[in-house]
Order: sequence, then C-alpha cells, then structure tokens
Amino acid sequence: EIVLTQSPATLSLSPGERATLSCRASQSLNNYLAWYQQTPGQAPRLLIYDTSNRATGIPARFSGSGSGTDFTLTISSLEPEDFAVYYCQHRSSVPPYSFGQGTKLEFK
Amino acid sequence: EVQLVQSGGGLVQPGGSLRLSCAASGFTFSSFEMNWIRQAPGKGPEWISYISSSGTSISYADSVRGRFTISRDNAKNSLFLQMSSLSAADTAVYYCARVLSRSLRYFHSWGQGTLVAVSS
Repeated sequence: EIVLTQSPATLSLSPGERATLSCRASQSLNNYLAWYQQTPGQAPRLLIYDTSNRATGIPARFSGSGSGTDFTLTISSLEPEDFAVYYCQHRSSVPPYSFGQGTKLEFK
Repeated sequence: EVQLVQSGGGLVQPGGSLRLSCAASGFTFSSFEMNWIRQAPGKGPEWISYISSSGTSISYADSVRGRFTISRDNAKNSLFLQMSSLSAADTAVYYCARVLSRSLRYFHSWGQGTLVAVSS
C-alpha cells in the first residue's frame, strides 16, 4: 500500500498570502493524485484530480502540480474561506485508496 | 444535483452491530462505483470499502475485512454497510462517496456523514 506524507502538518498564513502544501508518496503515483478540502463538520470536497485538474466549480486560485512522488497544492491568494484542512489521495488501480494525514491551514 | 443522504449510525456497545444506509439521487446510481470512507475524531479520512456499479466486485480495507459487508440495491438507488463485531477503534464519522467516473476513482460526491460511536 502506498503511503502519502503531507507537510507541513500546520501552515499559518494570512489572507492574501500564497499557500504551498506538499504531498510525498512512498512510490511513484503516475500523477494519480487528488486534493480535498475539509472544513469543520463537513465532508471533504474534491478540489484537484489527476495532479492538476480542477474539479467543477473550484476557483482558479487553486492549482496542483508535481509528478512521480512529489506533489504540491498551491493557493495563489488566500481567501478567508480557504482556511481548512487539506488532504491528498491516491487513486490506485485497485483498492485500497490512500489518503494523507492532512495539512491544517490556519490564520496567522 | 447529486445527493447522497445517509441514515443509520448512533451509539452501539462493543461487539454490537449496526447498518448504515445511503440513498442516492440526481444521477444514474447503477452506473457508478460507490465507497464507504470513515474518519475517526481528529484524524484523516480512511477508505474502508468499495463496490462496483453492478455489485459484483467488492473490496475492503484490512481494518474491517471479515466484520463489515458492503452491498447495494440498484433498483432502490441505495448503498449499505453492515457492521458487526464493533470496537472502540471503529468510532468515526462514516461517509458514503461516489467516484468521479469509472476511470477517475476520486471521491466526487459525499454523503453528509453519520457518527458511529462504540462505547459501553
């Protein structure tokens, strides 16, 4: 099973700043990586799939990049509603499907 | 609009059983793979079970295999999770989730979640 390690665990920034979140895999993912956003009391929301494709309705300030084992979610200019927990997830060809442990983006 | 409405869950004693349901609407349920994902308090999501669109292919995480059973009723647009031999480690919010597409096994739509608390 592939292990996904996210860093940092917590990121403290202010609105308007740029956020860079990392997800590192224990083996190559063939770009089959997604990012989710979760706010308190809500289900995760799909933001990015297959490394760099924005899901329907996701603002352009969210972008994904990377390849092989190293992937990045970038939020170009933080809005107040972006402060949340972010998870990466690998879509392997067969289950199990791995999630990272999360990065909490908090107000500085 | 895709909707997944969950029911079931609640407080159960260790060793007990519980059945979760997920009612789907707004899409052709019989065309999509479905999954159950859980999230323990303060932890990240954990995928626990998958069922193919026809119900003929099923998979489980090691943590629940042999204790949980996933099923679906395409005629009633419903997904189920039968849980038995529950322990404190199973305490979590449980979500049903639909994939983005057959080839894009990312979790596009989620139910509202239902809390399963295992305690004496």
